[in-house]
Amino acid sequence: EPEVTQTPSHQVTQMGQEVILRCVPISNHLYFYWYRQILGQKVEFLVSFYNNEISEKSEIFDDQFSVERPDGSNFTLKIRSTKLEDSAMYFCASSVAGSYTDTQYFGPGTRLTVL
Amino acid sequence: AQSVTQLDSHVSVSEGTPVLLRCNYSSSYSPSLFWYVQHPNKGLQLLLKYTSAATLVKGINGFEAEFKKSETSFHLTKPSAHMSDAAEYFCVVSTRNLNEKLTFGTGTRLTIIP
Repeated sequence: EPEVTQTPSHQVTQMGQEVILRCVPISNHLYFYWYRQILGQKVEFLVSFYNNEISEKSEIFDDQFSVERPDGSNFTLKIRSTKLEDSAMYFCASSVAGSYTDTQYFGPGTRLTVL
Repeated sequence: AQSVTQLDSHVSVSEGTPVLLRCNYSSSYSPSLFWYVQHPNKGLQLLLKYTSAATLVKGINGFEAEFKKSETSFHLTKPSAHMSDAAEYFCVVSTRNLNEKLTFGTGTRLTIIP
């Protein structure tokens, strides 16, 4: 069964450094998402992406964040200058369509630790 | 606005006994509701979803959930717990006015006692 994959599984970085989290969505899916979960808190929506554009973003997704689909398979989340409060589990998801009834399929997550 | 409340942060049941994980939602529009499960070091896996068809929804691994509009609830049940059911369970809502955005509950950790 096709799966969403994410690399790395764990990333440790120093405050102020740039990080890129990578995701490979399911191949026939057209909509891509990033969510994050700070330890002990809810999973929160960050951004959705379709047709090489951001279609929706949350207030968390400020100018420090960017997303890109650099090729036909990868979907990346970049944090330009990491802060301590960016430490979280980051989940990538994809769906065939962007309807509110559509199922989003999630990857295993990347745990980001900012020191 | 939409929101989800999972009423129990932790539930423990004995193997072979019924499981009940409670979820209440709030939504200005007709919702879609999902239950996801997360096993340790694994991604979020869809258990089942409700999208305005039958109110009793059957999912994988013997789980089911009933959408009750009058109670704004979408509780997850299973008749007989198995050790492999031990995991974190998330109730999730999305609505027409916020197309792609999923709103998660805080999660319920299910422990199975041998």
